[in-house]
Amino acid sequence: QKEVEQDPGPLSVPEGAIVSLNCTYSNSAFQYFMWYRQYSRKGPELLMYTYSSGNKEDGRFTAQVDKSSKYISLFIRDSQPSDSATYLCAMSANKFYFGSGTKLNVKP
Amino acid sequence: DTAVSQTPKYLVTQMGNDKSIKCEQNLGHDTMYWYKQDSKKFLKIMFSYNNKELIINETVPNRFSPKSPDKAHLNLHINSLELGDSAVYFCASSQDAGEGSGELFFGEGSRLTVL
Repeated sequence: QKEVEQDPGPLSVPEGAIVSLNCTYSNSAFQYFMWYRQYSRKGPELLMYTYSSGNKEDGRFTAQVDKSSKYISLFIRDSQPSDSATYLCAMSANKFYFGSGTKLNVKP
Repeated sequence: DTAVSQTPKYLVTQMGNDKSIKCEQNLGHDTMYWYKQDSKKFLKIMFSYNNKELIINETVPNRFSPKSPDKAHLNLHINSLELGDSAVYFCASSQDAGEGSGELFFGEGSRLTVL
């Protein structure tokens, strides 16, 4: 079983939709949780960084961590075509573990 | 100013050759990493260095040899390249001591194609 599971998609939504991206994990030692956005042929760019359970909001993005269910989510409100990218979840204990990424396409 | 920069961006080479990728970070971070991203976008850690010392060495063929001349630089040398080495290699850095508590910043990647 992989440490971090993420649905690869692709996920296609119309502009303005609310997007929900999710990851599950198996290692209860994970304490730090991150979401990265990766455009085609670019490096991953850190979007959200959270410690432990709870919600964190930054503009149109909300990251949610539920440690009891070993489940993290990223919500994107009022999605834009410029949000089209691959979204990678990551978490860490003594090192970083990444999901395989969900490809998101926001159609104008 | 680019925070984590790596060169070259693209590498096309023949099987059996030796190649190097260089990485520099100007963030003042203590820890640097090399990751390999395959065609399915899966990011796998290869090595990490904290203040020039190797702290993570995953199961990577010993044809891959990292070198950190100082804490701002981490280079990757690959000997006897194989077809399966074709991938995008990302350098990254973080402020923590490699225990995973810091934010990870990535370079733009070096796309290696082995023919």
